[in-house]
Amino acid sequence: AQSVTQPDIHITVSEGASLELRCNYSYGATPYLFWYVQSPGQGLQLLLKYFSGDTLVQGIKGFEAEFKRSQSSFNLRKPSVHWSDAAEYFCAVGEGDDKIIFGKGTRLHILP
Amino acid sequence: DARVTQTPRHKVTEMGQEVTMRCQPILGHNTVFWYRQTMMQGLELLAYFRNRAPLDDSGMPKDRFSAEMPDATLATLKIQPSEPRDSAVYFCASGYDPNRYNEQFFGPGTRLTVL
Repeated sequence: AQSVTQPDIHITVSEGASLELRCNYSYGATPYLFWYVQSPGQGLQLLLKYFSGDTLVQGIKGFEAEFKRSQSSFNLRKPSVHWSDAAEYFCAVGEGDDKIIFGKGTRLHILP
Repeated sequence: DARVTQTPRHKVTEMGQEVTMRCQPILGHNTVFWYRQTMMQGLELLAYFRNRAPLDDSGMPKDRFSAEMPDATLATLKIQPSEPRDSAVYFCASGYDPNRYNEQFFGPGTRLTVL
């Protein structure tokens, strides 16, 4: 069965610093991969997605992610974080035609 | 700006009471998902529908939970009787299969507290 691992439960970075959130997936074929963000008290919002083609994908809010098949990874990056980026981030992989398997999430804290 | 709507946004009830949560998927979407989010378990898929037909409800406690889609614009999740361990945030999401490659759009959630 497909699975997603986000090895970091919490990450703390200073405002203005760069960010990388890790995600590893287990999937036999070419995966459909997603990053979602959840701000406190809110639903999940799609940041970006990878289906095929260019392995570096751009998303909203200045985020990007790189698909690396050899490492089964889809890490999320941002060159300079803002205090408003404090949230929980979920990596996910598509399963079958419809379902998404979510990771446990990484909570991002921003230091002023 | 199309979005998934959920009602109520908050619900406080007493153990043993029936709880009904409603979801209006984005118009034109044909898949609907119900998730439960807790601190301990994270995001769990409870059930999902495609073209109003239930496809998978293996994540749902069958004895007290039920999910239905009376029509294409309404999905319901019912708990009867409710228990304190059901306290969680319940999210509905919708998508369009097969051209959206599993992409799902989430509602704002219903925060349920069972006393």
